[in-house]
Amino acid sequence: AQTVTQSQPEMSVQEAETVTLSCTYDTSESDYYLFWYKQPPSRQMILVIRQEAYKQQNATENRFSVNFQKAAKSFSLKISDSQLGDAAMYFCAYRSRGGNEKLTFGTGTRLTIIP
Amino acid sequence: EAGVTQSPTHLIKTRGQQATLRCSPISGHTSVYWYQQALGLGLQFLLWYDEGEERNRGNFPPRFSGRQFPNYSSELNVNALELEDSALYLCASSLLLGQKNQPQHFGDGTRLSIL
Repeated sequence: AQTVTQSQPEMSVQEAETVTLSCTYDTSESDYYLFWYKQPPSRQMILVIRQEAYKQQNATENRFSVNFQKAAKSFSLKISDSQLGDAAMYFCAYRSRGGNEKLTFGTGTRLTIIP
Repeated sequence: EAGVTQSPTHLIKTRGQQATLRCSPISGHTSVYWYQQALGLGLQFLLWYDEGEERNRGNFPPRFSGRQFPNYSSELNVNALELEDSALYLCASSLLLGQKNQPQHFGDGTRLSIL
């Protein structure tokens, strides 16, 4: 079974600065997907970024980028130019490529933006 | 385009009662997933439905059950409610195009409180 670990329960960053959230995972599969979701106080889980394991290039979405290290089973999220609206719980998630479609989530990191 | 909608927003029950939670997926999505987000435990996978069939089930007792209707909407039923069932229940939907994974899009959740 796959597991996802987020070792930082809470993080804070000054507005306009850069912050990196850590995520590690354990799997015996060679092909899979990784995701970062954010959950603001409104409760809705919002997809931030996704990475396909067979792609070596790190995914980027505007101010959000990942550092995917497949051999180390590490998948960190970097948020550049942090904004007040980035304050939320951030969840790292794993999904097998085929057959078993469920998402396996980490326990989340609460990100606070300091004005 | 309307997102995933869940009802009710909040549900209050007592121990031993039964609860029914509802989810309407994004138009065109055939897969519906249910997750439980209990305080401090992250998101745990409950059930996955696609094309009216249960495709996968998480490690939950049989009193958690559900179904998917021909219009792809879904119900989650929880029988013989226990205090530890208090949680936010999130529904997600996605397309299922063979083995090509599509990201899951989440609703705002139903907060189930057991008194």
